[in-house]
Amino acid sequence: DGGITQSPKYLFRKEGQNVTLSCEQNLNHDAMYWYRQDPGQGLRLIYYSQIVNDFQKGDIAEGYSVSREKKESFPLTVTSAQKNPTAFYLCASSIRTDEQYFGPGTRLTVT
Amino acid sequence: AQSVSQHNHHVILSEAASLELGCNYSYGGTVNLFWYVQYPGQHLQLLLKYFSGDPLVKGIKGFEAEFIKSKFSFNLRKPSVQWSDTAEYFCAVIPISGGYNKLIFGAGTRLAVHP
Repeated sequence: DGGITQSPKYLFRKEGQNVTLSCEQNLNHDAMYWYRQDPGQGLRLIYYSQIVNDFQKGDIAEGYSVSREKKESFPLTVTSAQKNPTAFYLCASSIRTDEQYFGPGTRLTVT
Repeated sequence: AQSVSQHNHHVILSEAASLELGCNYSYGGTVNLFWYVQYPGQHLQLLLKYFSGDPLVKGIKGFEAEFIKSKFSFNLRKPSVQWSDTAEYFCAVIPISGGYNKLIFGAGTRLAVHP
């Protein structure tokens, strides 16, 4: 079954803690993305990676970090520096400028 | 800056009513265009896309969209909605340039269809 998996579905953390969200794809796509979805704001790009061992900041990268050591994996770390981390996080992958395929998302709540 | 505008944030319709969701983008060059849908509790999934050719594009579940280049628009339509069309709809655009081509999303439109 090809697709994108994200885990966990729900995540709760205390303020000040770093947390890592997992994203794995078996679609053999080179490009992967992380978005943040907030009500009424659509999806905003956090980081993207067009190839293994390379990634670029998106529009709202502050307080986040990523790695791309394997083609199929693109984990996102939400650091304590992110001022408003509570949100719904979506991972996606694509073949360049074609459609992006999205995972089920992780809802992060920081208290 | 490049942007995508969706005119309606919330739309409420009765079953069998016709639907049109507006989408405009700001970029003068070549674009790839998409409509995505997010049903309650489900993945964001592609409804339809336009890259080139016939500007009237048909997608899944009876949806279609028309690309009007002169108006920078890509409006989504469905002649007769069903309760199961209740979802959030996102217009998205990839401006094609020489470098990395980023997918830019609109803010989304929440559609509620009442039986």
